[in-house]
Amino acid sequence: AQSVTQPDIHITVSEGASLELRCNYSYGATPYLFWYVQSPGQGLQLLLKYFSGDTLVQGIKGFEAEFKRSQSSFNLRKPSVHWSDAAEYFCAVGAGSSGGYNKLIFGAGTRLAVHP
Amino acid sequence: NAGVTQTPKFQVLKTGQSMTLQCAQDMNHEYMSWYRQDPGMGLRLIHYSVGAGITDQGEVPNGYNVSRSTTEDFPLRLLSAAPSQTSVYFCATQKYEQFFGPGTRLTVL
Repeated sequence: AQSVTQPDIHITVSEGASLELRCNYSYGATPYLFWYVQSPGQGLQLLLKYFSGDTLVQGIKGFEAEFKRSQSSFNLRKPSVHWSDAAEYFCAVGAGSSGGYNKLIFGAGTRLAVHP
Repeated sequence: NAGVTQTPKFQVLKTGQSMTLQCAQDMNHEYMSWYRQDPGMGLRLIHYSVGAGITDQGEVPNGYNVSRSTTEDFPLRLLSAAPSQTSVYFCATQKYEQFFGPGTRLTVL
């Protein structure tokens, strides 16, 4: 069955520290992978996506993610966290259609807190 | 361009009442979908549509109906609301990636 696991429910980091949010997926075909961010009371904003090609993808707000097929992982990283990065982060895999996808399967999310 | 709009932003219903959550988009995307978000569970797909006149069920379709008569609109209907349907509902459209609306927070008492 297709699934996405985000092992960390909550993470707290200090401002200026590096960040890595973990994501593991289970999907039989080549995955379409996404990271979204949600600030309190807001909708979801796409940070970055992986469809094919270079396994290190750059996104907005200084985030990057690396696709590792052998580990079924797509971890999100940022070298220096800002207080405004405090939010909930969702990893998702696109599934359900040959040659593309027609639905997203989400992980449960990781809530990031940033200490000044 | 407004992107994806959802109305209302907040709604409180009593058990057994019916209502329709509205979703509209001005991006001319064929694909639209509805998700619900519950604490600790991420977002789960309710229904989706690949174009006008075509809809299909997602992961959690029970208790919800949809129809798609135009490219722009994709309403979600609750025929008889239940407390288990208390949630935040997001509509999304898709071209190469999915774009989400701001959400509707629904409480069923």
